[in-house]
Amino acid sequence: EAQVTQNPRYLITVTGKKLTVTCSQNMNHEYMSWYRQDPGLGLRQIYYSMNVEVTDKGDVPEGYKVSRKEKRNFPLILESPSPNQTSLYFCASSPRTISYNEQFFGPGTRLTVL
Amino acid sequence: DAKTTQPTSMDCAEGRAANLPCNHSTISGNEYVYWYRQIHSQGPQYIIHGLKNNETNEMASLIITEDRKSSTLILPHATLRDTAVYYCIVRVVRAGGTSYGKLTFGQGTILTVHP
Repeated sequence: EAQVTQNPRYLITVTGKKLTVTCSQNMNHEYMSWYRQDPGLGLRQIYYSMNVEVTDKGDVPEGYKVSRKEKRNFPLILESPSPNQTSLYFCASSPRTISYNEQFFGPGTRLTVL
Repeated sequence: DAKTTQPTSMDCAEGRAANLPCNHSTISGNEYVYWYRQIHSQGPQYIIHGLKNNETNEMASLIITEDRKSSTLILPHATLRDTAVYYCIVRVVRAGGTSYGKLTFGQGTILTVHP
């Protein structure tokens, strides 16, 4: 089944404890992206990647890192999480279209930082 | 990207057509209209997109007015599982630049399908 998977789905952690949220897609998509969703603010893009070893900042990259060593994986790294990073996170991927606007989203990771 | 305006909420009876409007009066000639939906706290789901012609797929139909200032997403036979927030997004298709794929989701329309 074609899908985007994220792990973990739920995570409660403490301030400063490094964590990684994994994202994997099995559709051979070139484009991958991370969003966070907060009440009243909608979805905001954190980072995106147009291909292996090519990543760039979205609208809210502060406090996050990403890597794209393989086409299928795009992990989101929080080196020193803070409470303001408590949010619902979505990974997305898109096939090679002219705009990458048709995106497949993962099921989400709900992160709480205490 | 052009600004969009959608009603905050709508109701629809199960089995009936759900018609969700979107106003995008400042749309420019090279901007497409995209529709996504998000079922409670799940990942958004792409539904359909179009430039100026009406489009139909297995999920929905998209009707874009001739002047392209508004559009309507039609779910022909709504079911309870179609209850979701529906987002209308207007996006330019660029040949370059750094905003590839940066979807901006507004507040959307909360569609409630009732029995």
